Amino acid sequence: AQSVAQPEDQVNVAEGNPLTVKCTYSVSGNPYLFWYVQYPNRGLQFLLKYITGDNLVKGSYGFEAEFNKSQTSFHLKKPSALVSDSALYFCAVRDPQAYGQNFVFGPGTRLSVLP
Amino acid sequence: EAGVAQSPRYKIIEKRQSVAFWCNPISGHATLYWYQQILGQGPKLLIQFQNNGVVDDSQLPKDRFSAERLKGVDSTLKIQPAKLEDSAVYLCASSLRRSFETQYFGPGTRLLVL
Repeated sequence: AQSVAQPEDQVNVAEGNPLTVKCTYSVSGNPYLFWYVQYPNRGLQFLLKYITGDNLVKGSYGFEAEFNKSQTSFHLKKPSALVSDSALYFCAVRDPQAYGQNFVFGPGTRLSVLP
Repeated sequence: EAGVAQSPRYKIIEKRQSVAFWCNPISGHATLYWYQQILGQGPKLLIQFQNNGVVDDSQLPKDRFSAERLKGVDSTLKIQPAKLEDSAVYLCASSLRRSFETQYFGPGTRLLVL
C-alpha cells in the first residue's frame, strides 16, 4: 500500500529566504505526486503535480517541486518566501497501478513565513 | 467556472443523531470524492464515484456511513448514527476523470458531534 511522509510538522522561514517543505513516499509502481495548500477555513488548493517527464515541476504562486526517484522524494520549494505563503501544505501520492485506496495524503506541514 | 459547492458549512449534532452533507461538483467532472479530515491530519479518502458508480469505498465505515451520487452529478454523504469520533471536516472534491487529473476541492463541512 502506498504511503506519504512529511517529516516536519512545522517549517519556519524568514520572508525573502528560500523555503523547502519535504515529502517522501512509498508506492509499488511509478507514482503520481501532488502538492496541495490549505489556507485557514478554506478547502485545499492544487499547487502542482508530477505525472511523468521532467523531474522539476513548476506550479502555482512560484512554487516548484523536484521528483527524485532514487530518494523517493518530492520536496516542495520556492526561491523567495512570502508572508502570504503561510499555510498548511499537503503532499499526496497516487499509485496508478493499485486498485482501491489509491490516493493518499500526508499529514501536512505547517509553513510559517516570518516578516 | 464555478467551483465545488458544499453545504452546510457547519453542523453541530449530538451523538447518535443523523446528519447529511451535500456536494455539487464542477460541471462536467465525472469523478467525485468524499474525504474526512480530522483536526491535525491529512484528508482520508472515504469514497470515490465515477459518474454514478462507486469506484472505491474501502475506507468508508459502512455500518454508519453511506453515500450516493444519483444521476452522476450531485452527491450526498450521510452518517447515521453519529459518534464523537466523527467530528471532522468533510471535504468533497471532483476531477474531470479518474486517472491523474487534478482534484478540485470544495470548502468543506465542519461537523461537531457532542
